[in-house]
Amino acid sequence: SAVISQKPSRDICQRGTSLTIQCQVDSQVTMMFWYRQQPGQSLTLIATANQGSEATYESGFVIDKFPISRPNLTFSTLTVSNMSPEDSSIYLCSVAGAEGPHTGELFFGEGSRLTVL
Amino acid sequence: GQNIDQPTEMTATEGAIVQINCTYQTSGFNGLFWYQQHAGEAPTFLSYNVLDGLEEKGRFSSFLSRSKGYSYLLLKELQMKDSASYLCAVRDAYSGAGSYQLTFGKGTKLSVIP
Repeated sequence: SAVISQKPSRDICQRGTSLTIQCQVDSQVTMMFWYRQQPGQSLTLIATANQGSEATYESGFVIDKFPISRPNLTFSTLTVSNMSPEDSSIYLCSVAGAEGPHTGELFFGEGSRLTVL
Repeated sequence: GQNIDQPTEMTATEGAIVQINCTYQTSGFNGLFWYQQHAGEAPTFLSYNVLDGLEEKGRFSSFLSRSKGYSYLLLKELQMKDSASYLCAVRDAYSGAGSYQLTFGKGTKLSVIP
C-alpha cells in the first residue's frame, strides 16, 4: 500500500484567492489523480497528473482553474484558482496500487477540506 | 459515459447482515469496485469484481452480474465500526488515461444501530 500525505488538511479561503494543495507519496508511483468530493456528492475525477507533461483533465475541468504540477514520481500539487463558494469541497489525491492495472486499486490521501467564504 | 445508482442511506442492526446494491449503465466496463469511507476520512478499498460471481473477503462479499449491470456488497456480522459510506465505482474500459480511472456512485450511508 502507499502512504499519501496531503496538506493543508483544511483551510478557509476568501473569494477570489488561490490555494495550492500538496500531495506527497512515500514511494514512486506512475499514476496519480486528483478528485473532488463536494458536500453530499461522490468523488469526481478532476485530472490525471502526468509526470513530465501536462495533466489530463476530465470534462468540466480546465487547466486555468485547476493547474496541476507533477515534478517527480512522488509529488504533485493542485491549485484551485480564483476561488468561489462553489469550490468549497474536499480535494483528494489518489495513486494506483502497486499491483498494477489488473486490480485498479486506488489509495487516497486524507483529503484537503476547503471552505470558500 | 457512466451512470451509477445506489441507495442514499441504509440502517441495519449490529450483528445482522446488510446488502448494498449498485446498478450501473456504462459505455464500457473493466471492473467494479467498492470503497468504504468513514466520515471525514479517505476512502479505502474493499473489493474488486471484473468477472461475474461472488468474491468473499472475510465479513465482506461483493457480487457482480455484468449482463444485468448490477453489483452488491454484502456485510455480515455487522459491527458498529461498519457505520460508514460505501461507494460503488466502475472503471470504464475506454478511459483515456488507461486502466485506473474510476467513476464513483454517490455512496450509501450505512448506519449500524445497537
